[in-house]
Amino acid sequence: GAGVSQSPSNKVTEKGKDVELRCDPISGHTALYWYRQRLGQGLEFLIYFQGNSAPDKSGLPSDRFSAERTGESVSTLTIQRTQQEDSAVYLCASSLTGQTNQPQHFGDGTRLSIL
Amino acid sequence: AQSVAQPEDQVNVAEGNPLTVKCTYSVSGNPYLFWYVQYPNRGLQFLLKYITGDNLVKGSYGFEAEFNKSQTSFHLKKPSALVSDSALYFCAVRDYRGFKTIFGAGTRLFVKA
Repeated sequence: GAGVSQSPSNKVTEKGKDVELRCDPISGHTALYWYRQRLGQGLEFLIYFQGNSAPDKSGLPSDRFSAERTGESVSTLTIQRTQQEDSAVYLCASSLTGQTNQPQHFGDGTRLSIL
Repeated sequence: AQSVAQPEDQVNVAEGNPLTVKCTYSVSGNPYLFWYVQYPNRGLQFLLKYITGDNLVKGSYGFEAEFNKSQTSFHLKKPSALVSDSALYFCAVRDYRGFKTIFGAGTRLFVKA
């Protein structure tokens, strides 16, 4: 099935390194979201892409975090100079449109561990 | 500002008994409400949503939820719990004007055989 695909599924890296996380949304979905889920906690909104509109970056926690999306396809979340507090599961979701009645379809996440 | 509260960190129920997972919300204007379930090492899966219409919404896997505007609640229910229902459940709210979905902190459901 063509669900939301995220890679890698797990990433272990040393503090101070840069990491890049990838998300392939469901084909045809114009809206794409990134969330962070710390251990035992809820979802923290990071960034939202809708079509060709400027992304809403209001949830990015610092300027070490950035994200891009190519058209209505793949998105990458980049974390520069990683810190231990960046350790979390990073979830990507897509929806058919950005309309408020649309449910989101989630990938299985990337589990990031910073040593 | 939008907010969602799930007052119980954990709910324990015996298999075959009814279950309720509570959710209350705060939003300006009409709310769009969602329930998601998360199994270990997986992303969230959509269960059901309330947009408008009947207050009782039916969703996947036999779950349903009741929208109560006066109590600003959207509790998740199932008449007869299964062991396989054990998972983490998230309530979420979205303001009809915006794109941002606010998720609750989650409630862990344990169904004991």
